[in-house]
Amino acid sequence: TQLLEQSPQFLSIQEGENLTVYCNSSSVFSSLQWYRQEPGEGPVLLVTVVTGGEVKKLKRLTFQFGDARKDSSLHITAAQPGDTGLYLCAGVPDSWGKLQFGAGTQVVVTP
Amino acid sequence: EAQVTQNPRYLITVTGKKLTVTCSQNMNHEYMSWYRQDPGLGLRQIYYSMNVEVTDKGDVPEGYKVSRKEKRNFPLILESPSPNQTSLYFCASSLSMGNYEQYFGPGTRLTVT
Repeated sequence: TQLLEQSPQFLSIQEGENLTVYCNSSSVFSSLQWYRQEPGEGPVLLVTVVTGGEVKKLKRLTFQFGDARKDSSLHITAAQPGDTGLYLCAGVPDSWGKLQFGAGTQVVVTP
Repeated sequence: EAQVTQNPRYLITVTGKKLTVTCSQNMNHEYMSWYRQDPGLGLRQIYYSMNVEVTDKGDVPEGYKVSRKEKRNFPLILESPSPNQTSLYFCASSLSMGNYEQYFGPGTRLTVT
């Protein structure tokens, strides 16, 4: 059982559409990170959210950390083919020290 | 350029033939990890190291060994590979354990026949 559950597992959309990816847990996290992994490469950090209720924007990507610090979401506005990739959330539970990863959401944006 | 390098990128081997995957980082990071990535299971940590000569098991350590003799290098050793170790492997480093940014290598695709 994953400590961080991501949904959906797979998402295929057309260019220009919006999408939201979710990362949920029953545990409280001191912070959550979002990574994007492109084919043939390692994951790359997009953002870290630290405060409950925090919203961060990175161009067309909006990241939100839940008020209770148990969940997070990633919203992409007007998706482009360059947004295609595996999106991973990761966090350190309050009671532990190691970073835990979710299984990821594979996003495919077709022209 | 700050980076984590892994070699080889691709490896096909046979059951039981010992192999080593090298990992090196140039950021003077204390914390290094090895992960394997399998479809539907995400990134699972194999071993980690908090500093030179300090290593510990992750979530799936069976069948693997590591060493940390120098701060920059963290090789992964498979003494007797088996087909269930066929996977995509990533080395990562960060300033320290915890919620610090992980820098990942490009990955090593291992196939054991």
